[in-house]
Amino acid sequence: DQQVKQNSPSLSVQEGRISILNCDYTNSMFDYFLWYKKYPAEGPTFLISISSIKDKNEDGRFTVFLNKSAKHLSLHIVPSQPGDSAVYFCAASRNNNDMRFGAGTRLTVKP
Amino acid sequence: NAGVTQTPKFRVLKTGQSMTLLCAQDMNHEYMYWYRQDPGMGLRLIHYSVGEGTTAKGEVPDGYNVSRLKKQNFLLGLESAAPSQTSVYFCASSYRWDTQYFGPGTRLTVL
Repeated sequence: DQQVKQNSPSLSVQEGRISILNCDYTNSMFDYFLWYKKYPAEGPTFLISISSIKDKNEDGRFTVFLNKSAKHLSLHIVPSQPGDSAVYFCAASRNNNDMRFGAGTRLTVKP
Repeated sequence: NAGVTQTPKFRVLKTGQSMTLLCAQDMNHEYMYWYRQDPGMGLRLIHYSVGEGTTAKGEVPDGYNVSRLKKQNFLLGLESAAPSQTSVYFCASSYRWDTQYFGPGTRLTVL
């Protein structure tokens, strides 16, 4: 039972343009959401997070949007850079208990 | 600071063999986790610990055991390895159920 879903396994964008990565979840009890970035042969690294009491969180070129009614979050990267090419995982937790990850989206930013 | 380290980086086992994966963190984190990553499945939580001497089951605990005898170490054991346990294993640690810091991973193949 995959409670966190990333339906796009891959995404390709041109350098300088916007990258939008999407994530859907099924459990309305999730109250904290995170995005992780993973390069090959390395562990995931934390990128940005958002609490369920907010609908937007921004950190430099990265913005996460949360739509609780649609159970949907998205990560926007503007402008995209070749170094952003990686696999991006969204994750969700509830009540400081449990953490569920999506299957990941491979982003390729072309120069 | 080394962060989170994992030993070994690679291992090949035969069906029925046993082994232990070691995770160490130097950030004084209370929480530690073991995940497995399989293609198309994202990261799935095997076991976790919320403090020294404690362990709890995650999403996919069967076939694995863990121990947290020291705060900085979290061991994952496979008593009788099966081909279905071929995967990449990640250890992580955190202060709470939020931002987790991951190790570089252990690639395990069970023949």
